[in-house]
Amino acid sequence: VQLLESGGGLVQSGGSLRLSCAASGFIFSNYAMNWVRQAPGKGLEWVSTISDSGGSTYYADSVKGRFTISRDTSKNTLYLQMNSLRAEDTALYYCAKDNEDSGFTYGYDYWGQGTLVTVSS
Amino acid sequence: EVVMTQSPATLSVSPGERATLSCRASQSVSTNLAWYQQKPGQAPRLLMYAASRRASGIPARFSGSGSVTEFTLTISSLQSEDFAVYYCQQYNNWPLYTFGQGTKLEIK
Repeated sequence: VQLLESGGGLVQSGGSLRLSCAASGFIFSNYAMNWVRQAPGKGLEWVSTISDSGGSTYYADSVKGRFTISRDTSKNTLYLQMNSLRAEDTALYYCAKDNEDSGFTYGYDYWGQGTLVTVSS
Repeated sequence: EVVMTQSPATLSVSPGERATLSCRASQSVSTNLAWYQQKPGQAPRLLMYAASRRASGIPARFSGSGSVTEFTLTISSLQSEDFAVYYCQQYNNWPLYTFGQGTKLEIK
């Protein structure tokens, strides 16, 4: 299993970025996928989840209305469109795969190495 | 939202000794709890899930226990590679998972 994030960078407050996560080594369409972020020197914060089919999406209150998660099964890729970025969105963004077994999930079993988003004010 | 509280914030232990890390949930999460290890510059790694089940490839010196609101991660004999930050995560209400703030395990 490999998850490879890209798309991070430096952006001004109010700007936009689109993150990508290229997945391989598993049947991408069988698993819900997630974005988790970590501000510099801080802990882990769940950001967003998309169901295996892509039909359901979920967001943390801190990003609701500004971020959009999506997936392209034909490209085995997960996305996070981030608009109206704020200084407090500065973080390392990880994509993570659901640890799913027999219809139940048990946290996240694989993580990418992360892509850094820096929002300047 | 379920708030996860880890203690202590920092734990100093000598190699070869036992380390015990705690995690408390603000409401019942049954045994829907995972532990992750994160080393500097690396992504988190899943250690335990369902409170007490080791993830694939995790050494037997790692064990987890607890249920409802009180959980413990024990490392029986610390190796040099075990010094890291450890996070607990509740997954009782998919997908609105929450993490603890982390415990830094450092060499004494």
